[in-house]
Order: sequence, then C-alpha cells, then structure tokens
Amino acid sequence: DAKTTQPPSMDCAEGRAANLPCNHSTISGNEYVYWYRQIHSQGPQYIIHGLKNNETNEMASLIITEDRKSSTLILPHATLRDTAVYYCIVSYQAGTALIFGKGTTLSVSS
Amino acid sequence: EAEVAQSPRYKITEKSQAVAFWCDPISGHATLYWYRQILGQGPELLVQFQDESVVDDSQLPKDRFSAERLKGVDSTLKIQPAELGDSAMYLCASSFQLGATGELFFGEGSRLTVL
Repeated sequence: DAKTTQPPSMDCAEGRAANLPCNHSTISGNEYVYWYRQIHSQGPQYIIHGLKNNETNEMASLIITEDRKSSTLILPHATLRDTAVYYCIVSYQAGTALIFGKGTTLSVSS
Repeated sequence: EAEVAQSPRYKITEKSQAVAFWCDPISGHATLYWYRQILGQGPELLVQFQDESVVDDSQLPKDRFSAERLKGVDSTLKIQPAELGDSAMYLCASSFQLGATGELFFGEGSRLTVL
C-alpha cells in the first residue's frame, strides 16, 4: 500500500503557483520523498526527490517539513501543460520499486 | 535524449488469446520494471528485474503472466490467456542500478484492450 496521502484533485490558475501537499507521517529516517507526474496517456515522469533538505530544480521545488511527516511540491508558475496527475511516493532509494497511490489530479486553467 | 522503448503502443485482443509486450530500457540501465495501470488508478508493480534476475514478482499473476529478461537488456511480458480484467496500460521503466538515488525512466506504455 502507498505510504502517502494526497488530495484527489486541485485547481490552479495559469501563471499562479501550484502547491501540492503530501502527508507521509510514517516515513522512516532513510526514506526519500519522490514526486512524479503523469500527463494523460503518457508514462509517469520524474519531477524531483529529497531526503531532508528542500530541493529545487528547473521543474519544481520540494519543501519537506522538519519532522519529515509532510511535504509540498511547488510549481512556481503553472501552465496549461502542467495539467496532470501528480504522485508523491516514499521509498528507500532508486532501484527500489516505487509504490504509486492514486495521486492528485491538478487542473490548470486559463 | 535516451528513452525507454515499448511496443506495441496499442493492442486489441479477444479473451483467451495470448498477448506479448516488449520493452527496451535505456542503455546501461540494469534495473527494469513492469507496471500495470488500470484506468483511474496509479501504476501497480508487476515485476522487477536486476540484470537478468527477478528481484520481485510477488504481484505478478503467475498463472497467466510471465516476464523474462534473458540477456539482461530488453524484456518481454506475456499474458496467456488474456482475460477481460487485463485491459490496462502496461508500463515499462528502467533505472541505472540498485543503490543509486535518482529517477525511474518510464516508457510511453502499451495499452491493452481485451474484448
């Protein structure tokens, strides 16, 4: 079973920041938080991952709370192409199979 | 940019027929995964390979599903006989190796419809 809890859906206006929350209250000390997204009819795409510190790349920022029980994925300026299902996954390390939940469907509108 | 290749992209078959899916991972990726995704749900792991060895096939319905990766490169997932409930997207993914942090690379998937 997935170790994370995400809202089933969220809406965001184009150009605004999209903040997607994820709860992972049972995360263990050496488990990473991964975020993937899946645009309709495509395979999932890696976005970002982190262990303890906040992370940023060209796609998004990942904010992990100090107790590591929750995190937020931030898309700073959402576009229509960011409409997708976003999956938050907790896993020990790459090479370990990722267990997907149902994710959050993000709808970006103009 | 290197990609995970999958074929066929779409497959329609009748129940009780055999069907096979092929996956070619990114060159040099030792770990390969097959996932199944039913419409409206997240991907579900079926089998994981490390080189040519199966690491985890606990969720693979072994009475009708089989998977192989004979030379540790490309892989085939077979269903025989197909059932109506097998209609889904079959996704292949690869990663560099166990123990490395980073990402799984997914293919575009093979969509199966069983009539």
